[in-house]
Amino acid sequence: GESVGLHLPTLSVQEGDNSIINCAYSNSASDYFIWYKQESGKGPQFIIDIRSNMDKRQGQRVTVLLNKTVKHLSLQIAATQPGDSAVYFCAEGGGSSNTGKLIFGQGTTLQVKP
Amino acid sequence: NAGVTQTPKFRVLKTGQSMTLLCAQDMNHEYMYWYRQDPGMGLRLIHYSVGEGTTAKGEVPDGYNVSRLKKQNFLLGLESAAPSQTSVYFCASRRAGNYGYTFGSGTRLTVV
Repeated sequence: GESVGLHLPTLSVQEGDNSIINCAYSNSASDYFIWYKQESGKGPQFIIDIRSNMDKRQGQRVTVLLNKTVKHLSLQIAATQPGDSAVYFCAEGGGSSNTGKLIFGQGTTLQVKP
Repeated sequence: NAGVTQTPKFRVLKTGQSMTLLCAQDMNHEYMYWYRQDPGMGLRLIHYSVGEGTTAKGEVPDGYNVSRLKKQNFLLGLESAAPSQTSVYFCASRRAGNYGYTFGSGTRLTVV
C-alpha cells in the first residue's frame, strides 16, 4: 500500500546552521508533494510544494528536492532559527485519484539549539 | 480572519456518548477533509468531501460519520464514542486546482 515515511524522528541543529529533513515515499504515481510545519498545539501549516515533473523548488529560506529515481524528498531550511522548531511532515497526493487526498508521513521533530 | 474554524477545541466524552465536531471554512473551498492525529502515526484520513452534498470514506472511517449539507461546513460525528477515538482531530479544506490544504487548529478529544 501507499506509505510516506521520514528517515529520522528527531533532528537537532544549532541555530544558524542549515537543516535537512528527509522523506521517502512509495507511490511512484503521485503527482505532487507537500511539506507542512506543525507547531505545538496548532494545525499543520503549508510550507512548500513540488510537482512530480520538477526536481527542485525554492521558497523563502526553504528548498525542496525531489528524487523520483529513489523516491526521496527532502526539505532544506537555510540558517535555521528558533522559530523553525516544530514537527515537519511530508505528504504526497495526486496519482490516479482526483480527490485531493494527501497521505502524510509520521513527522520529524526539528529542535533548534540556541 | 479567513480560514478554517473547528469547534469545540477540547472535549471529554464518556464511552458510548455521541458528539459532533464542526468544521467551517469561509474560503469557498470545494474540498474538505477530516484527519485524526495520533502520536507516532502522523495524520490519517477519516472522511472527505469533494463538494457540497458529497462525502467519501478515507483510511480510518469506522466509528465516524460525516455530512456536508452546506459547502462551508463539514461535520464529523461520533455515534458511540470509544477510548480508541481519543485523538486530535483536524479539519482541512482545499480549493480545486490547488494542492495544499488549509488546516484548522484542531479538536482534542478524550474518551474515558
